[in-house]
Amino acid sequence: ETAVFQTPNYHVTQVGNEVSFNCKQTLGHDTMYWYKQDSKKLLKIMFSYNNKQLIVNETVPRRFSPQSSDKAHLNLRIKSVEPEDSAVYLCASSAWGDSYEQYFGPGTRLTVL
Amino acid sequence: GDSVTQTEGLVTLTEGLPVMLNCTYQTIYSNPFLFWYVQHLNESPRLLLKSFTDNKRTEHQGFHATLHKSSSSFHLQKSSAQLSDSALYYCALSNYQLIWGSGTKLIIKP
Repeated sequence: ETAVFQTPNYHVTQVGNEVSFNCKQTLGHDTMYWYKQDSKKLLKIMFSYNNKQLIVNETVPRRFSPQSSDKAHLNLRIKSVEPEDSAVYLCASSAWGDSYEQYFGPGTRLTVL
Repeated sequence: GDSVTQTEGLVTLTEGLPVMLNCTYQTIYSNPFLFWYVQHLNESPRLLLKSFTDNKRTEHQGFHATLHKSSSSFHLQKSSAQLSDSALYYCALSNYQLIWGSGTKLIIKP
């Protein structure tokens, strides 16, 4: 099956803990993205990787760090989570130089208590 | 910089009535791709339709949109709303990434 896969689906944690989210795509794309979707449903780009190189790093808190081992994988680590980090984190991928049409994973819902 | 504007945050319609969701954009690129994505409850966004060609109607799953470069618009339309159309709709513009509008929540009532 060709798609974008994310784990976990849900994660509940406490303030100050560290969390990691995983994303894998089997679409053969070379560009991957992390978005944050808050309670107001705004889609905010956080990071973008093209062939393992960071190409967009929007103004996000430094406790967020993306990690890419190859063009099919893009993980997100959050050190010392804060309550405002509660959101849905969406991973997406696209083919660079095409229309940049993005395909999304199912998302990871993070709740910080 | 590039931007996408969706003026309606919420649209509520009765089943069977026509749907029109507005999208306008600003870009320095002369040949942008424009997209409509739909996000149903507890799902992730998925592509509904996209266009690159000026003044050409694009259709998918009963929805249609026409890119008008003269007015920088890409409005989404459907002739008759269905209950299952209730969802969040995003308009997006492509440069080297997608520039997203703020989304329009569409609620269809019986």
